[in-house]
Amino acid sequence: KQEVTQIPAALSVPEGENLVLNCSFTDSAIYNLQWFRQDPGKGLTSLLLIQSSQREQTSGRLNASLDKSSGRSTLYIAASQPGDSATYLCAVLGSNDYKLSFGAGTTVTVRA
Amino acid sequence: ETGVTQTPRHLVMGMTNKKSLKCEQHLGHNAMYWYKQSAKKPLELMFVYNFKEQTENNSVPSRFSPECPNSSHLFLHLHTLQPEDSALYLCASSQEAPTAGAYSTDTQYFGPGTRLTVL
Repeated sequence: KQEVTQIPAALSVPEGENLVLNCSFTDSAIYNLQWFRQDPGKGLTSLLLIQSSQREQTSGRLNASLDKSSGRSTLYIAASQPGDSATYLCAVLGSNDYKLSFGAGTTVTVRA
Repeated sequence: ETGVTQTPRHLVMGMTNKKSLKCEQHLGHNAMYWYKQSAKKPLELMFVYNFKEQTENNSVPSRFSPECPNSSHLFLHLHTLQPEDSALYLCASSQEAPTAGAYSTDTQYFGPGTRLTVL
């Protein structure tokens, strides 16, 4: 069974600092990996999706890398802003069962 | 309305009550999902419907009863719940869902969730 772990569980940084969020997964048989953002009491918004054949994806200040063989992904958020405060979830789509497995998330607070 | 909507947004119920959660998607998708998100835990898939047929029941207790009358609507009927069922219940939709012999990698779009508290 795929297990997805996100470290740290919570992170607090001053505005302007770069954020580094980590995600690891136990089964490297994945089709893709996705990073989501969740605001308190709200649903999930997809940020970036990396196919298993890709090494990274970028969107604005966000950059996500994927190392499938070692079962790791990192989400970088450059020059953080208070509006970046949210919980960030990592999810992998298994290539055997095509099921989406989620991590518990990293809750980020950016202090003004 | 666009995207995936869920009602009610908040629900407080006693253990003997019966209530229903509603999800509606306006994306023309054929697959709909129910997820449970408990505090500090990963999202847990509960049910999957593909073209109105249930294709996944992830060992969910019978006190949760899903209903999918058409591809745009999904309900979760609740009865005799326990306090540990308190959680955020999220609905999602995608173009299609994986079924035996028909794998799908379509992106899932999530609703805002219903915050359920069982007293």
